[in-house]
Amino acid sequence: DAGVTQSPTHLIKTRGQQVTLRCSPKSGHDTVSWYQQALGQGPQFIFQYYEEEERQRGNFPDRFSGHQFPNYSSELNVNALLLGDSALYLCASSLVPGAQETQYFGPGTRLLVL
Amino acid sequence: DQQVKQNSPSLSVQEGRISILNCDYTNSMFDYFLWYKKYPAEGPTFLISISSIKDKNEDGRFTVFLNKSAKHLSLHIVPSQPGDSAVYFCAASGRNQFYFGTGTSLTVIP
Repeated sequence: DAGVTQSPTHLIKTRGQQVTLRCSPKSGHDTVSWYQQALGQGPQFIFQYYEEEERQRGNFPDRFSGHQFPNYSSELNVNALLLGDSALYLCASSLVPGAQETQYFGPGTRLLVL
Repeated sequence: DQQVKQNSPSLSVQEGRISILNCDYTNSMFDYFLWYKKYPAEGPTFLISISSIKDKNEDGRFTVFLNKSAKHLSLHIVPSQPGDSAVYFCAASGRNQFYFGTGTSLTVIP
């Protein structure tokens, strides 16, 4: 079982660009959540996808959008990048929405915006 | 607005002793609390949780205590082992919201 995988592992972009991060959930999981972890902070919930729809959303602007595919994999898109978007982006999958204790996290994608 | 706070960024404990990690929250609507452990270059992994209807939950060497009136929870690790060295995050959920604390880096000294 590969667990939760994320790609790429690292990424460097410049202000104003757009970025797409990818996540493959643990086998058998159908719910994917995305988190942003800034340096020295805890992860902040961005949104959760279930059945290819956004089910919950944290306090993030519309520049952050996502998608879930029929195979349950997911993408996080961030438009008009700002310096403050530099962070570790974590993806987590679970069997059902809201089951935080059964969330499995991936290793994250580290995004640097210059 | 930091709704879940871990005021100690780091903690060092001798092997075999007790480690106590603390967490405070501000929102009384939170009804479920969790602790995660994170090693470098890995995502957080779930450790232990507690519902707001309980004040204690134990799992092996790990015990979580919840004091609702003080809006405070703590994680006790007894006995501490070098392999416990990691960053520990507390998290709280309620009303479809989920918040993490800023983390405490625990170092267990052999």
